[in-house]
Amino acid sequence: GAVVSQHPSRVICKSGTSVKIECRSLDFQATTMFWYRQFPKQSLMLMATSNEGSKATYEQGVEKDKFLINHASLTLSTLTVTSAHPEDSSFYICSAIGTSGVSTDTQYFGPGTRLTVL
Amino acid sequence: LAKTTQPISMDSYEGQEVNITCSHNNIATNDYITWYQQFPSQGPRFIIQGYKTKVTNEVASLFIPADRKSSTLSLPRVSLSDTAVYYCLVVNNYGGATNKLIFGTGTLLAVQP
Repeated sequence: GAVVSQHPSRVICKSGTSVKIECRSLDFQATTMFWYRQFPKQSLMLMATSNEGSKATYEQGVEKDKFLINHASLTLSTLTVTSAHPEDSSFYICSAIGTSGVSTDTQYFGPGTRLTVL
Repeated sequence: LAKTTQPISMDSYEGQEVNITCSHNNIATNDYITWYQQFPSQGPRFIIQGYKTKVTNEVASLFIPADRKSSTLSLPRVSLSDTAVYYCLVVNNYGGATNKLIFGTGTLLAVQP
């Protein structure tokens, strides 16, 4: 139980294009999902908290117009990197907290998405 | 959110017990201590969580002294596959698990044959 998937696992795009990353809780419902970014040899940095049916809460310094988050259902949150630039190249990881059937005190992480912007 | 401090790296050999200590001097009453493991290019994996004294599961043990200002993750008889970064986090779970995790630098454990 408590499996979180991400799609795609890796993506390469041209500078100026937009990329959408999906995060799904496969066997549980998640009212809250989180998005993190991790640069090489660094720790995870929380970008935003996504709540189903409401606007995401962004951490200080994270541009909400650049990193669009949509949490339209209890099993799916999407992160869209708009007008991507090489400095947006990073490892993006989502996590989810379940409402039932799994520990409601634990964040379960997805496998991550490697974004490379050329 | 309580800040955590842990060693940047540790070395061990296969079959040894490894203890990673984390300091969290400003831990609050409603805070829990949680440990995650991360392999390169993968998302973190939950290892163990505790509030006080000792917690044990099939993977590890977590020791928390009475003052809760530190905690120790104990990995019994490590193998090469335990080489990873281990993160200690303090999480406020009061009122439900919607609180965010702030990751520190983590401890890179290198297990050698």
